[in-house]
Amino acid sequence: DAGITQSPRHKVTETGTPVTLRCHQTENHRYMYWYRQDPGHGLRLIHYSYGVKDTDKGEVSDGYSVSRSKTEDFLLTLESATSSQTSVYFCAISESIGQGALGEQYFGPGTRLTVT
Amino acid sequence: AQTVTQSQPEMSVQEAETVTLSCTYDTSESDYYLFWYKQPPSRQMILVIRQEAYKQQNATENRFSVNFQKAAKSFSLKISDSQLGDAAMYFCAYRRRWGNEKLTFGTGTRLTIIP
Repeated sequence: DAGITQSPRHKVTETGTPVTLRCHQTENHRYMYWYRQDPGHGLRLIHYSYGVKDTDKGEVSDGYSVSRSKTEDFLLTLESATSSQTSVYFCAISESIGQGALGEQYFGPGTRLTVT
Repeated sequence: AQTVTQSQPEMSVQEAETVTLSCTYDTSESDYYLFWYKQPPSRQMILVIRQEAYKQQNATENRFSVNFQKAAKSFSLKISDSQLGDAAMYFCAYRRRWGNEKLTFGTGTRLTIIP
């Protein structure tokens, strides 16, 4: 299994509070991603990173920010949590095409976030 | 934009039988990858099988195989000799081959194994 951990694994917070989720990898992969999973939607990309300090938006980025100061860590921040951000959040990593990888992404165990 | 459609929200199969999960996708690209991921109750996303669009041969991994029809933009997953441990949500996913492309997921099919 790819070495990906997420913390916390579960969190309950109140509307309007800031929340930070952490993803940590031990694989030294270049690319890191944050997805959210909601019933009826599959997984949708929030933000991704293609290197230290290099990030870009995904399809559902409103209300989220990210930071990557080290190769191994990718942080997702909800500046002011809302009930619509109640979801399961997955971190994923991938290697560059041509480094022996064939486009696959490997996922962390997920974080269940509830905003009350 | 690419889209992935899984038209079967739920499927069930008798243990030891064969089941096929359907997936269609829409893209204007000619070079891409397709994946099937499994999500058991533990919530972990597990890569089941991968298909490269430039390869005509269908991918196989033990009891799992795909039927890749590029012209029809169809990518079905066949599970042979179904086992209780195969019970899970199955997601079909697409990505372009080159560039830092996200995975685009279907909405999933929940597979139940009947003992």
